[in-house]
Amino acid sequence: GAGVSQSPSNKVTEKGKDVELRCDPISGHTALYWYRQRLGQGLEFLIYFQGNSAPDKSGLPSDRFSAERTGESVSTLTIQRTQQEDSAVYLCASSSRRGIRELFFGEGSRLTVL
Amino acid sequence: AQTVTQSQPEMSVQEAETVTLSCTYDTSESDYYLFWYKQPPSRQMILVIRQEAYKQQNATENRFSVNFQKAAKSFSLKISDSQLGDAAMYFCAYRGGSEKLVFGKGTKLTVNP
Repeated sequence: GAGVSQSPSNKVTEKGKDVELRCDPISGHTALYWYRQRLGQGLEFLIYFQGNSAPDKSGLPSDRFSAERTGESVSTLTIQRTQQEDSAVYLCASSSRRGIRELFFGEGSRLTVL
Repeated sequence: AQTVTQSQPEMSVQEAETVTLSCTYDTSESDYYLFWYKQPPSRQMILVIRQEAYKQQNATENRFSVNFQKAAKSFSLKISDSQLGDAAMYFCAYRGGSEKLVFGKGTKLTVNP
């Protein structure tokens, strides 16, 4: 696609429910990143994919968080048993392996846990 | 671990004036990249300008320029002839040998008409 696409744009859920957030990167971009941004805060790294493997998942806050990527394309971030502190905007970005490898971001998925 | 510090949580500037946003970073690496991203209320992060550490010349993109001081580990952003559309959160970011981008906490820029 023309840009990084994320869905849903907004998600409201009840505490304890599971949620899935989807990211569709720019076509041909082999690298994909997930970041979390709490209200008024900076970006917190969660996980990085190169192709379908995740060489760096050091930012996942707990075992309730998981992510996968298939076909070197779409990625899904899953949060199980959501807690109120999971409320944030989840940003996805992709980059190519060439040159300066600039990150291109999607518009994010805003998650609100009631 | 690398860290990025933006010491100005908020800044304001009059339209058509110049403003400088500060950024310092901490690293032991010699080869890295630095970036400034803009985040308007729409949430989408937009790359403003980038700098390769091995280049001594400061990067410039139209009204945006940087002052890169490698020895001081400083990377400030200068916005000239500020426009209302420049109002946003600005994030400084570092990328070294690891693939991830490390961000500062951001500076909120207000442009007054």
